[in-house]
Amino acid sequence: GAGVSQSPSNKVTEKGKDVELRCDPISGHTALYWYRQSLGQGLEFLIYFQGNSAPDKSGLPSDRFSAERTGGSVSTLTIQRTQQEDSAVYLCASSLTQGAEQYFGPGTRLTVT
Amino acid sequence: AQTVTQSQPEMSVQEAETVTLSCTYDTSESDYYLFWYKQPPSRQMILVIRQEAYKQQNATENRFSVNFQKAAKSFSLKISDSQLGDAAMYFCAYRRSYGGATNKLIFGTGTLLAVQP
Repeated sequence: GAGVSQSPSNKVTEKGKDVELRCDPISGHTALYWYRQSLGQGLEFLIYFQGNSAPDKSGLPSDRFSAERTGGSVSTLTIQRTQQEDSAVYLCASSLTQGAEQYFGPGTRLTVT
Repeated sequence: AQTVTQSQPEMSVQEAETVTLSCTYDTSESDYYLFWYKQPPSRQMILVIRQEAYKQQNATENRFSVNFQKAAKSFSLKISDSQLGDAAMYFCAYRRSYGGATNKLIFGTGTLLAVQP
């Protein structure tokens, strides 16, 4: 079946603008993760959704970052007032259940100019 | 807090030869999972191999095998008969065992593997 998809593939934005990144998990997967991959920080966890439970937001770097997951499926990561240090590849992963294998999407490369 | 360390930023291997990528980790937990992921230029993270900490037997997937030393907290990846398609960034990752907590992956900094024809 279809894997995890993310859009857009690449996004260039001006400093101070808001951006939305989308993740479509594998159908039926209840768990969804966002990670960020940057030159300075490597690969780091951002946020986790599991079913209808409250998300684990412990990895979000600042209050400019937020995410939601509608209907237990599609997720949107929003970055407000983007800064140059937000430039990174944002990866989404989903798993069938909590604790199962995580399958990654191709990521969104965000460039803040 | 758990940490994962990959001390080899870059490695190179000749096609058909064998290469070993190193990974060490630190944790106070006794039950956990370890993974090796491959990330080619397409950015797609691909699971190469996984190891459950409670299993003493080293995991093997075709040309890929691991040397898991729990006491030493070491988890190396051996790639046999290297192929051009193996060229990629390789990440070692840790995940705590399922127990109601977020099963986030903790990654090392990666090793860039080049395969020479």
